[in-house]
This record gives sequence, structure tokens and C-alpha cells, in this order.
Amino acid sequence: GNSVTQMEGPVTLSEEAFLTINCTYTATGYPSLFWYVQYPGEGLQLLLKATKADDKGSNKGFEATYRKETTSFHLEKGSVQVSDSAVYFCALIGSSNTGKLIFGQGTTLQVKP
Amino acid sequence: GAVVSQHPSRVICKSGTSVKIECRSLDFQATTMFWYRQFPKKSLMLMATSNEGSKATYEQGVEKDKFLINHASLTLSTLTVTSAHPEDSSFYICSAQGTGGSNEQFFGPGTRLTVL
Repeated sequence: GNSVTQMEGPVTLSEEAFLTINCTYTATGYPSLFWYVQYPGEGLQLLLKATKADDKGSNKGFEATYRKETTSFHLEKGSVQVSDSAVYFCALIGSSNTGKLIFGQGTTLQVKP
Repeated sequence: GAVVSQHPSRVICKSGTSVKIECRSLDFQATTMFWYRQFPKKSLMLMATSNEGSKATYEQGVEKDKFLINHASLTLSTLTVTSAHPEDSSFYICSAQGTGGSNEQFFGPGTRLTVL
């Protein structure tokens, strides 16, 4: 079945550091890929998405590229801020497009001033 | 826009009692709502998918008689945990999908259930 694997956290960085959170997936066909962010005390919010191979999703300085050849969708940001501290979830919806999201285990990011 | 609320945000109950959690789409109509369960340091696990006016579709391994889901209107779905036990303690999250063509889900802030 479909699955998503994220790098283990927590990830602790200093402000303005470069961020990479790895995400790989297993799925048949061409799933849609997502990154969600959960700030403390809030619900999950869609951060960015990509729906086909080689698409790059971007938002708020974050980027992720849909790599079919490596089945990956790594999240990157060039310069993190304290306000980026949150839990990040990689997710997919399978090519059958039932709307069911399959989540990775989440990666906690803590950015220190 | 696209705000989803959950009530209550936190509930503590005694073992054997039932607890109802509400999920509302505040500024849009949601034909489909999803219920997830999140364990500490673990991912969200889809429990069931509910469509307005029809029976919920439960994921494998989820007891439908224990987790009753009702989606009576386009803005409200409820999850009732019946005869709750300590192992049901968890963080329950709902999401709502709008009536447009997009498959984007909008998430509620979650409900922390503690069963004593």
C-alpha cells in the first residue's frame, strides 16, 4: 500500500540556517504530494503541494520538488526563522484520488534565536 | 476563509462513558469530512471518511460501533467515542473537504481525549 517516510526529529537549528526535511514515499502511479505544518496549539495547515513529477511547490520561502525517480519530496528553506518552529508532515493522496491523505510521522522543527 | 473548528478542545471522562466531538466547517460547505487519530510522536491515522447524508466509511481495524460518526449537514460532523476506555485516550483531528473540485482538506485544531 501507499506510505510516507520522513526523517526522524526533532530538528534543532539556529535562526537563518538552511533547512532540509527528507520525505520519501511508496505509491503506485502518480500520487499528489503535500507538506502540512502544525504550529503549536493549531490545526494542520497546507504548506505546499505538487501534483505531478518535477513540479515544485513553494510557499513562505519553503520549497519541495516532486522527484519521481527517487520517490522523494524533500522540504527545504534557505533561511529559517524562530516562527518556523512547528511540526511538519509530508503526505500523499494516491493516484486513485479518493481524497485520503497518507501522512508521514511528522518532524518537529525547533529554531533557536 | 476555510476555517474548521472542533469542540471540545480537551475532554476528560471516566471509563465507560461516551464522549461526542463536533467538527464544523465555519465558512464553507463540506461534502466530505475525515476523522484522524494521532498518537504521541506518531503520524495521523485516518479513522473514517464521512459524506453528508450517508454512512461513514471506516478504515480497516477501526471499530464502527465504538467510533460512531454522523455527518448530518454540510457543515457538521460528529464523532462519538462510545464506552470509552483508557486506550482510547488520544488526539482526534477532523478535516473537511469543500464542495468544489479541489481535493484540499482543511483541518480542525484537534480534540485531546483523556479517559481515566
